[in-house]
Amino acid sequence: KAGVTQTPRYLIKTRGQQVTLSCSPISGHRSVSWYQQTPGQGLQFLFEYFSETQRNKGNFPGRFSGRQFSNSRSEMNVSTLELGDSALYLCASSTGGAGELFFGEGSRLTVL
Amino acid sequence: GNSVTQMEGPVTLSEEAFLTINCTYTATGYPSLFWYVQYPGEGLQLLLKATKADDKGSNKGFEATYRKETTSFHLEKGSVQVSDSAVYFCALSDLGLTGGGNKLTFGTGTQLKVEL
Repeated sequence: KAGVTQTPRYLIKTRGQQVTLSCSPISGHRSVSWYQQTPGQGLQFLFEYFSETQRNKGNFPGRFSGRQFSNSRSEMNVSTLELGDSALYLCASSTGGAGELFFGEGSRLTVL
Repeated sequence: GNSVTQMEGPVTLSEEAFLTINCTYTATGYPSLFWYVQYPGEGLQLLLKATKADDKGSNKGFEATYRKETTSFHLEKGSVQVSDSAVYFCALSDLGLTGGGNKLTFGTGTQLKVEL
């Protein structure tokens, strides 16, 4: 069974640009969550989608957005990038039950 | 709001030593508790979980007991191996305002280094 796949794995952007990250969940999983991991703030919840609807949202500015498609694949977008957005962005999928998440390897974003 | 506090790392042990990583939490209601592990260059993997008070989660020789009275979920292993070297995260499940779904609150992580 294929795991959670995130693309791209690494990317470099400059301030003011925007970026789109993609996540393909495990087959059959309808919930996709996104987390930001940084050395200073640790792991912080961004949002969760379930059956194409945003079900939960963390405390991030509106520059961070996401969506989920009918095949459960998800994308997150960050507009007007700031230096502080440099982080590892982790996607996790689940069947929808609380807490048992399966994580991808992450997309490492560097903002210059 | 909910929060998770873990002991600071790194923790360095010799192979076959006993491991304890402390985790305490603050939460409203009755959250589920988890330990996740992150190996270098990889995403997080669920190590074990407990969904109610006095439950003991266990996996790969690791154990943790949900202690409601002390709001703790300490991770233990009787004999660590070099292959256990990783970062360990304690987390609790926050069902969110809608009462459903996934929203994990993580601790800061504890790096474990096991030496021969």
